[in-house]
Amino acid sequence: QLQLEESGPGLVKASETLSLTCSVSGGSISGSTYYWAWIRQPPGKGLEWIGSIYNSGTTYYNPSLKSRVSISVDTSKDQFSLNLISVTTADTAVYYCAREDSNALKDSWGQGTLVTVSS
Amino acid sequence: QSVLTQPPSVSAAPGQKVTISCSGGSSNIWSNYVSWYQQLPGTAPKLLIYDNNKRPSGIPDRFSGSKSGTSATLGITGLQTGDEADYYCGTWDTSLSAAVFGGGTRLTVL
Repeated sequence: QLQLEESGPGLVKASETLSLTCSVSGGSISGSTYYWAWIRQPPGKGLEWIGSIYNSGTTYYNPSLKSRVSISVDTSKDQFSLNLISVTTADTAVYYCAREDSNALKDSWGQGTLVTVSS
Repeated sequence: QSVLTQPPSVSAAPGQKVTISCSGGSSNIWSNYVSWYQQLPGTAPKLLIYDNNKRPSGIPDRFSGSKSGTSATLGITGLQTGDEADYYCGTWDTSLSAAVFGGGTRLTVL
């Protein structure tokens, strides 16, 4: 059973960098043909896809966030990470990591982690 | 403003049927597979329908999906109070080279 778990600071100051890591267990990132994605959900709002990465390092990003986002992968640790720079209070959200296939379906999700950006 | 358009809310009585629409365009729904997600209060989304109309193991056949042109539809029959949740459609957008979601639809079972 594949499991994903997000980790990282729950509080980040405005203008700083938000960094999260997703740890994958019950499966291997390097041996898969899946993408690994980050999605966020501001309080009381809908889902927003942030971006995804393949085990080769190929990345895709939401155009609206592309200038501030980077996603990286560490296949040796079965982890992938999100960095979002120059955050504002609008970046306050629950951040989810998920496994994504080439049709953009996400079949496994982490439980999510709330990140609050303080002004 | 979401790339995919869903009604903000739908409602129906227990035992009844409801449909949720998801409208897009030629670069997303028309040319790619659609998936649907159920998000119960306080929980992570869960895959409900994939490849337009397939159900993952464990999803009851009360849930169905269809696609026609630039629109997709999620159907739920035999509504139960436990179906009260937010539902999201999603797909890939070829022009954006990005995954996209609908704005979400809140289902209320009256």
